[in-house]
Amino acid sequence: IAGITQAPTSQILAAGRRMTLRCTQDMRHNAMYWYRQDLGLGLRLIHYSNTAGTTGKGEVPDGYSVSRANTDDFPLTLASAVPSQTSVYFCASSDSAGASDTQYFGPGTRLTVL
Amino acid sequence: GQNIDQPTEMTATEGAIVQINCTYQTSGFNGLFWYQQHAGEAPTFLSYNVLDGLEEKGRFSSFLSRSKGYSYLLLKELQMKDSASYLCAVDDDYKLSFGAGTTVTVRA
Repeated sequence: IAGITQAPTSQILAAGRRMTLRCTQDMRHNAMYWYRQDLGLGLRLIHYSNTAGTTGKGEVPDGYSVSRANTDDFPLTLASAVPSQTSVYFCASSDSAGASDTQYFGPGTRLTVL
Repeated sequence: GQNIDQPTEMTATEGAIVQINCTYQTSGFNGLFWYQQHAGEAPTFLSYNVLDGLEEKGRFSSFLSRSKGYSYLLLKELQMKDSASYLCAVDDDYKLSFGAGTTVTVRA
């Protein structure tokens, strides 16, 4: 494998349920990101991690949490899903933070919260 | 906050040229990216500008004017496969802020 994988590809979830979106990269990139993409709003940053063991909040962090236990994995958790979290979620990575490096995106997870 | 504006939609004919403008007002600036996104797929990198001027890459070129807060992406010799959304993104404090994207439709 080369690049970024995300799982699941799509999911329908009942409101109030807990859900973890998985993201794995094999490029040994230091920085990883989670975005949501909604029609008319573009990509918005939820959380990011500049290196393993550190995380930070993006533009729309409420209702989401992340962890970065190692370089390759960056899971995104919705503790109690709400319908407004219906969106397409993209994970991305770049070689380093603190430099304007190209971000590479995973294929996305389409999440519907009912 | 960040403000990045680009047109919502553009239509052009196969073989023609299309220019997608992007204006931005951001608190910081470390460069500007253009990404291409086909429907249902992930964004893919097209170009990066950090200095004023034109960067050319085959049929695609990107221009930046930092003093005007302005960039454009130029697509030449349009092909049907160029039908996609084009996303302008500003690197502010080494995190990207995206515009809403411009959907380009190429007609035969």
